[in-house]
Amino acid sequence: DADVTQTPRNRITKTGKRIMLECSQTKGHDRMYWYRQDPGLGLRLIYYSFDVKDINKGEISDGYSVSRQAQAKFSLSLESAIPNQTALYFCATSDSSRRATDTQYFGPGTRLTVL
Amino acid sequence: QKEVEQNSGPLSVPEGAIASLNCTYSDRVSQSFFWYRQYSGKSPELIMSIYSNGDKEDGRFTAQLNKASQYVSLLIRDSQPSDSATYLCAVPKNEKLTFGTGTRLTIIP
Repeated sequence: DADVTQTPRNRITKTGKRIMLECSQTKGHDRMYWYRQDPGLGLRLIYYSFDVKDINKGEISDGYSVSRQAQAKFSLSLESAIPNQTALYFCATSDSSRRATDTQYFGPGTRLTVL
Repeated sequence: QKEVEQNSGPLSVPEGAIASLNCTYSDRVSQSFFWYRQYSGKSPELIMSIYSNGDKEDGRFTAQLNKASQYVSLLIRDSQPSDSATYLCAVPKNEKLTFGTGTRLTIIP
């Protein structure tokens, strides 16, 4: 079984709709991250959480919100989707208790299309 | 100046040759560096990490770090068609990772 899972894997929605992307992990890591990836722009950090009570904005948080329901679950919401939020979204985790705290492990991604 | 810079490519290398991928970074205090491989439509996968100046070898992969010149490179020996992918360089800053935009590598059979 995959250590980091994302649901849904693909989603097509319309402008103005509310969308939630979910991420779950069984790695026991305390840190979780949401990225989006666009062609030519690489991976950009949307939000990150170092533990259940610690949530921080990344470089492109406008139009997004998150919820850390438990150590293993981190959800990303688009309150009112717009076409330029069409992208590939990745969840990632890392473990602050290990020496290599910066090593991140990625989920399989969610391809979101906003029409 | 971008924090992490990579040549976007595409870089084409004949099968069996050495592929050389480069990355430069702007923060002199960076201590660790990562190379991720990403196949088209898939998630990034960590393939190498390096913390000290010099070379680190793992199978056909060698990471090279030069902190004085602020660059890190990845060499792939005996390149295989399965090595065709985008390679992302990542550098930690403030307990987060900053990624380069990636170099697309194509191995030509």
